[in-house]
Amino acid sequence: EAQVTQNPRYLITVTGKKLTVTCSQNMNHEYMSWYRQDPGLGLRQIYYSMNVEVTDKGDVPEGYKVSRKEKRNFPLILESPSPNQTSLYFCASSLSLGGVSYGYTFGSGTRLTVV
Amino acid sequence: AQSVSQHNHHVILSEAASLELGCNYSYGGTVNLFWYVQYPGQHLQLLLKYFSGDPLVKGIKGFEAEFIKSKFSFNLRKPSVQWSDTAEYFCAVNGNYQLIWGAGTKLIIKP
Repeated sequence: EAQVTQNPRYLITVTGKKLTVTCSQNMNHEYMSWYRQDPGLGLRQIYYSMNVEVTDKGDVPEGYKVSRKEKRNFPLILESPSPNQTSLYFCASSLSLGGVSYGYTFGSGTRLTVV
Repeated sequence: AQSVSQHNHHVILSEAASLELGCNYSYGGTVNLFWYVQYPGQHLQLLLKYFSGDPLVKGIKGFEAEFIKSKFSFNLRKPSVQWSDTAEYFCAVNGNYQLIWGAGTKLIIKP
């Protein structure tokens, strides 16, 4: 089954403790992206990657890191989480040809709480 | 700048009412248009999409959308809503390698 798999689904952590949210897709998509979703603010893009070893900042990259060493994986790293990073996070992947996106497939989301 | 505008942040309807959610976009390139739905506590799922051809596209669960190029619009419609349609709906248009998202419309259906 074609899917984007995120782990964990729920995470509660303390301020400053490094964490990684994993994302993996099995569709051979070039494009992958991380979003955070907060009430009243819609979806905001954190980072995206157009292919292996190519990553770029989205609208709200501060406090986050990503890597794209393999096509299928795109982990999101919070080196020193803070309470304002409490949010619902979604990973997504897409087939993109010639700069045109053919739609995203989303992971199930990770609800992160930083206390 | 590329943008997507969804006219209503919240819509409240009774069951069996007809639905139309507005979406306008600005993008100068080849247009692919999408509507996604997010049911409470779930992730975003594709409702329908337009790439080319017939501007009236049909999606899952009885939804449809019409692409009107002259109006830069891609409004979502459903003739008779159900309580289970309560969700947040997002319109999106392809940008350069990524999707540009509207802010979303929360739809509440009163039983």
